[in-house]
Amino acid sequence: NAGVTQTPKFRILKIGQSMTLQCAQDMNHNYMYWYRQDPGMGLKLIYYSVGAGITDKGEVPNGYNVSRSTTEDFPLRLELAAPSQTSVYFCASSYEGEGEQFFGPGTRLTVL
Amino acid sequence: GEDVEQSLFLSVREGDSSVINCTYTDSSSTYLYWYKQEPGAGLQLLTYIFSNMDMKQDQRLTVLLNKKDKHLSLRIADTQTGDSAIYFCAESMAYKLSFGAGTTVTVRA
Repeated sequence: NAGVTQTPKFRILKIGQSMTLQCAQDMNHNYMYWYRQDPGMGLKLIYYSVGAGITDKGEVPNGYNVSRSTTEDFPLRLELAAPSQTSVYFCASSYEGEGEQFFGPGTRLTVL
Repeated sequence: GEDVEQSLFLSVREGDSSVINCTYTDSSSTYLYWYKQEPGAGLQLLTYIFSNMDMKQDQRLTVLLNKKDKHLSLRIADTQTGDSAIYFCAESMAYKLSFGAGTTVTVRA
């Protein structure tokens, strides 16, 4: 099993550009999550999904969108990138809602 | 403020014990977790404790849970240089986990 994979590893965007961060898992997990990690701030939940076709907002959803058309994939979309979105983004999945979460390696995004 | 609070830094001598402390807010949390993050990597589960337990031991790791005070601690015995990392405490809340800001542990020779 590859576990949780994320692409790209690094990206630099200009203000106002759009991009999609990809996340996939091959563990047949129902629950998937997107976090951002800012220095000294821990992880903040952006969006999560409890199954294909179902998504919900986390603590910091503004400026982002998600979709969950399959169990495996959970892409995160930034429509109009802003410098405040410079961060490291982690995708995670779990079998149960309160169970162990498995994390991807992260995407480091810089918006200039 | 954060729902889960941790001290930000800990420096420990190689071979000594490390103790990382955490306070959480949701008394209904079913599980409490400790995750480890090494530089440039994602988080990996280190250990967890079920809310009806007071203590859990797993090789060099000891987790203590005080539900009355909503206090969780992680003790690492015989700390090694490979234990240098950021350690996150997390509480389970409905479908989600709520993470602390992380404690950066530096092991010095």
